[in-house]
Amino acid sequence: AQSVTQLGSHVSVSEGALVLLRCNYSSSVPPYLFWYVQYPNQGLQLLLKYTTGATLVKGINGFEAEFKKSETSFHLTKPSAHMSDAAEYFCAVSVQEAGGTSYGKLTFGQGTILTVHP
Amino acid sequence: IAGITQAPTSQILAAGRRMTLRCTQDMRHNAMYWYRQDLGLGLRLIHYSNTAGTTGKGEVPDGYSVSRANTDDFPLTLASAVPSQTSVYFCASSADRNTEAFFGQGTRLTVV
Repeated sequence: AQSVTQLGSHVSVSEGALVLLRCNYSSSVPPYLFWYVQYPNQGLQLLLKYTTGATLVKGINGFEAEFKKSETSFHLTKPSAHMSDAAEYFCAVSVQEAGGTSYGKLTFGQGTILTVHP
Repeated sequence: IAGITQAPTSQILAAGRRMTLRCTQDMRHNAMYWYRQDLGLGLRLIHYSNTAGTTGKGEVPDGYSVSRANTDDFPLTLASAVPSQTSVYFCASSADRNTEAFFGQGTRLTVV
């Protein structure tokens, strides 16, 4: 079975500072990994995903993440935080099953709330 | 605007009552999913459907049932609600197994 751990339920940064949200996963097979963002009272929106190929993946709104197999990590970064980045962020791993991988059947981490100060 | 519509947006329900959360998508996606979101636990998969006419159990299916009579609709039913089912419920869909999942706006359910 897969699992995801997000280190830090709350992260606070200043506007313009580096954003680093940590995610570690556990999977017995090569994982497909995702980062979603949730703005208040809204659904989830996909930021980026890693399936195969290049381990550094770029997403929307200037975010990127690097898959590190040796560290079982998929940390999310953004060089310069904007006020509009304040939201909750979820790391997720796709569930492996007999028929293959489903992008919609996900195991989520606990979430990290990002606060951006002026 | 194409997407996923969930109804109601919020509901307060007496324990023991039956409740159906509605989910409709107009993107002609094959796969649909129901998740519940609880503080500190992230989202957990309740049930899913890979295509119309088929359903499957997720991580936390007990107390919930689903049906998938057609491509567009995927209702979630609580046969006899209990307070532990107080949560925010999200419906999602994806074109097929290997494409991005899109989420609805959620239904906030409180069972008292």
